[in-house]
Amino acid sequence: TQLLEQSPQFLSIQEGENLTVYCNSSSVFSSLQWYRQEPGEGPVLLVTVVTGGEVKKLKRLTFQFGDARKDSSLHITAAQPGDTGLYLCAGVHAGGTSYGKLTFGQGTILTVHP
Amino acid sequence: DTGVSQDPRHKITKRGQNVTFRCDPISEHNRLYWYRQTLGQGPEFLTYFQNEAQLEKSRLLSDRFSAERPKGSFSTLEIQRTEQGDSAMYLCASSRQEVSGYTFGSGTRLTVV
Repeated sequence: TQLLEQSPQFLSIQEGENLTVYCNSSSVFSSLQWYRQEPGEGPVLLVTVVTGGEVKKLKRLTFQFGDARKDSSLHITAAQPGDTGLYLCAGVHAGGTSYGKLTFGQGTILTVHP
Repeated sequence: DTGVSQDPRHKITKRGQNVTFRCDPISEHNRLYWYRQTLGQGPEFLTYFQNEAQLEKSRLLSDRFSAERPKGSFSTLEIQRTEQGDSAMYLCASSRQEVSGYTFGSGTRLTVV
């Protein structure tokens, strides 16, 4: 069974601080995705990383994919209250009948205080 | 295109009743997925369709759960004889064949009392 472990599970910080969320897998997925989810809504895709060592930036968010494609991180610079939400990493399954299926980590609940 | 639409948004039902949820995916997406999410957790895979074919079902999907996608467009998820443990957010998502990224609906929040 392929599992994704996210840490930390909860993060409460002040506006302007930096933070990093980690996602570690027991095995290799074909790619890894990060989502953000607000209460009462479905997850919204932020980024997909595919290549080992890949780094992608989305404004103040920086996503890294480990060289072995088994771990990833999300770094937020100068967090703002609007960044508050549940951040989820998800591994995309590569082959067979599971192709395209997502396995999610348990999520990181981020609260940014003004 | 208005994205993935789920109906109803909220459902409260008594234990033992049957419930049915509907999902309308993005029109050009041929893959449709159902996930279940409990509070503070990540979504768990239930089942998915490629066009009208149901290709995989999770062990989480007991005999009381059934999903259909009769014409390869909208999908329904039915839960028979609901139990309190079925209380959760049921999420639908769709994607193209190439799986460039999912689009999720806003979910159906089920509460079994």
